[in-house]
Amino acid sequence: DVQLMESGGGLVQPGGSLRLSCVASGFIVGTNQMSWVRQAPGKGLEWLAITYNDDNAYYSDSVKGRFSISRDTTENTVHLQMNSLRADDTAVYFCARDLGGEMSPGGMDVWGQGATVTVSS
Amino acid sequence: DIQMTQSPSSLSASIGDRVIITCRASQGISNFLNWYQQKPGRAPKLLIYAASHMQSGVPSTFSGRGSGTEFTLTISSLQPEDFATYYCQQTYSSPRTFGQGTKVDIK
Repeated sequence: DVQLMESGGGLVQPGGSLRLSCVASGFIVGTNQMSWVRQAPGKGLEWLAITYNDDNAYYSDSVKGRFSISRDTTENTVHLQMNSLRADDTAVYFCARDLGGEMSPGGMDVWGQGATVTVSS
Repeated sequence: DIQMTQSPSSLSASIGDRVIITCRASQGISNFLNWYQQKPGRAPKLLIYAASHMQSGVPSTFSGRGSGTEFTLTISSLQPEDFATYYCQQTYSSPRTFGQGTKVDIK
């Protein structure tokens, strides 16, 4: 079975840091593009970041300079390091396998269940 | 950044109704357009990719059309399990923006 499972969510104070992990089973993270998406309470989906097959990454303006996406091929895991967290980062964070290439359209076909991050004092 | 605008933001429909959701891009995105379904408390589910290609396992009552800046998702006969929120997303360029969502509920 192809699956993703996030971990690492929780309560953090404003200005703090948190690292989310997303472990894959049934496919190899190292040969796939992986994205992170979040959803604030009662709001829509917000795309955050992608790591490409060449290990380049791209971020939305809302998290650029604060969040960092990386892959650990030995653990078949993708991470999202979140620094300088703010109250408006409170959301459910999803990782997903992203088949959308620069030359070929595609979607996010495998999603994790989501990790809840709450930023509050 | 490419802005994606869905309409309507919400709609009420009955079982068996034909439902059409529109998604417009602020600039041309060829066919780099996906549609997702999300139910409360669940992760999104990919329905349509490349504007008109159905993801494996998706019922044939769903279809997508369009190219350039205007796209549609059609549910030909609404079923009880189709009541959900639907999002379009462009992957033509990063950031890979979503539309604001269209909530489909029961009339």
